[in-house]
Amino acid sequence: TQLLEQSPQFLSIQEGENLTVYCNSSSVFSSLQWYRQEPGEGPVLLVTVVTGGEVKKLKRLTFQFGDARKDSSLHITAAQTGDTGLYLCAGEPAGNKLTFGGGTRVLVKP
Amino acid sequence: DTAVSQTPKYLVTQMGNDKSIKCEQNLGHDTMYWYKQDSKKFLKIMFSYNNKELIINETVPNRFSPKSPDKAHLNLHINSLELGDSAVYFCASSPSPAGGEDTQYFGPGTRLTVL
Repeated sequence: TQLLEQSPQFLSIQEGENLTVYCNSSSVFSSLQWYRQEPGEGPVLLVTVVTGGEVKKLKRLTFQFGDARKDSSLHITAAQTGDTGLYLCAGEPAGNKLTFGGGTRVLVKP
Repeated sequence: DTAVSQTPKYLVTQMGNDKSIKCEQNLGHDTMYWYKQDSKKFLKIMFSYNNKELIINETVPNRFSPKSPDKAHLNLHINSLELGDSAVYFCASSPSPAGGEDTQYFGPGTRLTVL
């Protein structure tokens, strides 16, 4: 059982559609991060959320941290083919050790 | 200028061999990491060094030995390679060992295939 569960594992949509991916845990996190990883490359940080209930926007991407700081979501509006990638959430439960979720593979078709 | 670089990008070798992967960061960060990403894309930390000192050592076989000659470099040596070692290995760095508070910058990865 992973500390951070991401759902869905895979999402395929048409360009222009909206999508939401989820990151859930039974543990409380002081902060959660979202990374995007493109094929053949390393993950790149998109955002860090630190306050329960916080909403952060990055262009068409909206990130939310749950009130209880146990979960987070990433919503993409009007997806583009460039949004294709593996989306990873990550948090630090204890001991300065970043723990990653299993990831959601997003495929945006033209 | 590449912030975190790894060599080689691809490594194909026979079972039982010994191999090394090198990592360098030019960001001036104090902390460096090695992660393993398996075929299901699950990314898991292996080691972390802060100013050349080992601070995180996950449950990794003794065949894996990291070395940090200085804070800009973190190498990974693997002895007696096994089939299950096949994966993509990522090096990363961050300004401090603050875990989820700091941004981690990842290298492009080294795809290791053990035959």
